[in-house]
Amino acid sequence: KAGVTQTPRYLIKTRGQQVTLSCSPISGHRSVSWYQQTPGQGLQFLFEYFSETQRNKGNFPGRFSGRQFSNSRSEMNVSTLELGDSALYLCASSLGGVPDTQYFGPGTRLTVL
Amino acid sequence: SQQGEEDPQALSIQEGENATMNCSYKTSINNLQWYRQNSGRGLVHLILIRSNEREKHSGRLRVTLDTSKKSSSLLITASRAADTASYFCASRFNTDKLIFGTGTRLQVFP
Repeated sequence: KAGVTQTPRYLIKTRGQQVTLSCSPISGHRSVSWYQQTPGQGLQFLFEYFSETQRNKGNFPGRFSGRQFSNSRSEMNVSTLELGDSALYLCASSLGGVPDTQYFGPGTRLTVL
Repeated sequence: SQQGEEDPQALSIQEGENATMNCSYKTSINNLQWYRQNSGRGLVHLILIRSNEREKHSGRLRVTLDTSKKSSSLLITASRAADTASYFCASRFNTDKLIFGTGTRLQVFP
């Protein structure tokens, strides 16, 4: 099976712009989670989608949003970018049961100038 | 906020030595997982231990869980240079969000 893929791998934006990141989960996985990783804050949970519904949400401002499509692919959007949004954004997919193992993609490195 | 605090933050050892990392968490869990991350890349799942288990092995990895102390440890035996990475614990209760610890950076010198 193909692993989790994320596009694009690298992105440079300027403050005030918006960005959309994409994640394709492993075939058959119904849960997709997003994480932000920075040197200062570590791995922070953004949100989790399961069968197109947001199941969990982290403590991020409303500028961060996401969605999941019927084929389980997911996108996350960040509007009005700030310098502090520079980070590695990781997507993980799983079957969605309890317990479940998360399978991570390589991440999208976002730099905001 | 992060559920897990890991100790130590960084660890340097020689090849062949054992490496032990500890994780403490705050709330009730169903299971606790350990992940490895090579520099700037995605995380790789290592092992999962359920709340009713006390110890679990996988190859050179040994994980313990003490739910009364809300803590877990990961032991890597006979470390290799390829084990150089960051290691994270992650815990979850039912279908609540999976929360990662702060991580331990392990450096194994040849």
